[in-house]
Amino acid sequence: AQSVTQPDIHITVSEGASLELRCNYSYGATPYLFWYVQSPGQGLQLLLKYFSGDTLVQGIKGFEAEFKRSQSSFNLRKPSVHWSDAAEYFCAVGARIEGGSEKLVFGKGTKLTVNP
Amino acid sequence: DAGVIQSPRHEVTEMGQEVTLRCKPISGHDYLFWYRQTMMRGLELLIYFNNNVPIDDSGMPEDRFSAKMPNASFSTLKIQPSEPRDSAVYFCASRVVNEQFFGPGTRLTVL
Repeated sequence: AQSVTQPDIHITVSEGASLELRCNYSYGATPYLFWYVQSPGQGLQLLLKYFSGDTLVQGIKGFEAEFKRSQSSFNLRKPSVHWSDAAEYFCAVGARIEGGSEKLVFGKGTKLTVNP
Repeated sequence: DAGVIQSPRHEVTEMGQEVTLRCKPISGHDYLFWYRQTMMRGLELLIYFNNNVPIDDSGMPEDRFSAKMPNASFSTLKIQPSEPRDSAVYFCASRVVNEQFFGPGTRLTVL
């Protein structure tokens, strides 16, 4: 069964600093990988996804992630963090299911705090 | 498009009562998922539907939980009877073309 580990429960960065959130997955086949962001009291919004092809994936809000098969990782990065990026970030791995969709397994999340 | 709509947004009930959570997916989406989010267990998939048909309910914790999708625009998740350990945020998501769109969630508190 697939699983996702986000080793950092809470990260604090200063506004303008770079950011990297770690994600490691376990899955027997080629994974489908996702990063979601959740603001307080809100649902999850998709930042980016990897299905195949180029291992560096660009997403919304200036985020990118790199798939490294050898390390079973899919880390999320942003070169310069804005105060509005404060939120909780979830990495997910998807397994193909009947009908062509993906069944997602989520990590426990990393809460990002941005200091002014 | 209004996105995925969930109601109520907050629900407080007493142990033993029946609770019904509602979801309206985005029109045209063929999959609907119900998730539960708790501090201890994170986000867990409870059940999903494809074209209104339940496909996999292996994540439903107990027989007290049931879900239905009578048509393409409406789904319910029912807990009967409710228990304090059911307190969580319940999300509904609908999917089309490789992306799941999440609703704002229902925060359930069972006293």
